[in-house]
Amino acid sequence: KQEVTQIPAALSVPEGENLVLNCSFTDSAIYNLQWFRQDPGKGLTSLLLIQSSQREQTSGRLNASLDKSSGRSTLYIAASQPGDSATYLCAVQGTSGSRLTFGEGTQLTVNP
Amino acid sequence: DGGITQSPKYLFRKEGQNVTLSCEQNLNHDAMYWYRQDPGQGLRLIYYSQIVNDFQKGDIAEGYSVSREKKESFPLTVTSAQKNPTAFYLCASSQNSGANVLTFGAGSRLTVL
Repeated sequence: KQEVTQIPAALSVPEGENLVLNCSFTDSAIYNLQWFRQDPGKGLTSLLLIQSSQREQTSGRLNASLDKSSGRSTLYIAASQPGDSATYLCAVQGTSGSRLTFGEGTQLTVNP
Repeated sequence: DGGITQSPKYLFRKEGQNVTLSCEQNLNHDAMYWYRQDPGQGLRLIYYSQIVNDFQKGDIAEGYSVSREKKESFPLTVTSAQKNPTAFYLCASSQNSGANVLTFGAGSRLTVL
């Protein structure tokens, strides 16, 4: 059974700092990995999707990497802003189809 | 604008009552999903549907029921058999059940009094 772990559970940084969020998964046979953002009391917004054959994806100040063999992904946020404050979740999709397995999330606070 | 609409946003229920959460999408997506989110935990899959008139149990289906009579709609009923129904419920859809980006609704918060 796939298990997804996110470290740290919470992170507080000053504005402008570059930061890395970590996601690890136990079964390396994945189809893709997604990073989501969730604002308090709201639904999830997809940030980046990395196919299993890819090593990284970039969108603006966000860069996500994938190392399937070691079961790890990182989300790099450059020049953090207070508006980046949210919970970030990663999820992996297995090769068998539609099920996503989610991590517990990292709650990020960027202080002005 | 295309998207997913969940209603109600907040719902209070007395013990022993069934409640139904609505999920409607106008994205023409084939697949729809219901997740439950508890504080400090990741999302857990309740039910999913890959096509109209078909649905499968997820990891925590006990005490829940769904229907998929129309492509646009995937309502979730929380029955009295669900022992701990207080949670945040999220509906999502994807173009199909393959490797697609999920679009989520804004969620429904259910509280049992």
